[in-house]
Amino acid sequence: NAGVTQTPKFRVLKTGQSMTLLCAQDMNHEYMYWYRQDPGMGLRLIHYSVGEGTTAKGEVPDGYNVSRLKKQNFLLGLESAAPSQTSVYFCASSSGQVDFGELFFGEGSRLTVL
Amino acid sequence: KNQVEQSPQSLIILEGKNCTLQCNYTVSPFSNLRWYKQDTGRGPVSLTIMTFSENTKSNGRYTATLDADTKQSSLHITASQLSDSASYICVVKVDGGNNRLAFGKGNQVVVIP
Repeated sequence: NAGVTQTPKFRVLKTGQSMTLLCAQDMNHEYMYWYRQDPGMGLRLIHYSVGEGTTAKGEVPDGYNVSRLKKQNFLLGLESAAPSQTSVYFCASSSGQVDFGELFFGEGSRLTVL
Repeated sequence: KNQVEQSPQSLIILEGKNCTLQCNYTVSPFSNLRWYKQDTGRGPVSLTIMTFSENTKSNGRYTATLDADTKQSSLHITASQLSDSASYICVVKVDGGNNRLAFGKGNQVVVIP
């Protein structure tokens, strides 16, 4: 009964380093999302995918790349990390239109860029 | 300007007391509205969904209301418990394709004994 699993849960990077966050879901959902959550800002959409092999930009995509090679996985990459990317990142999935848009979230990945 | 505004930003209540959280939105066209609960250090979890035709819906001690004419929703917590300490996020779904969602910034609730 895993739902949405994110790895790693915590990471500290130096400015300019790269890393990848992995999101895996076992609910056979079509839609997957990456959000970032900052104090006082609420959740903001970085990138999303409406199906295997597809990706699209969200509200704050700059500095991030994503890939959805398999339906159950959605990867978020930071090619050259910046302190402004210090945040808590949440992956979410949904089955699409039929469930009225309910999102199922992972537990979050806390990233600090020094 | 954010399409979903929540108030109050934060509040502290005594255990056993009631409280009401507000969500005003300007999203159009409207599909539905969800309230999520986010415990500290966890991901948000859906509490309830309100569609256009629904005025009131309860989930245990949580009661949500929707006034689609004034574009307002509220979440009422009855007989609060320490476990109700969390952020409550209002999310409005835009009618149409691609599951477009508008997020509020959340109401931070702290329940003290």
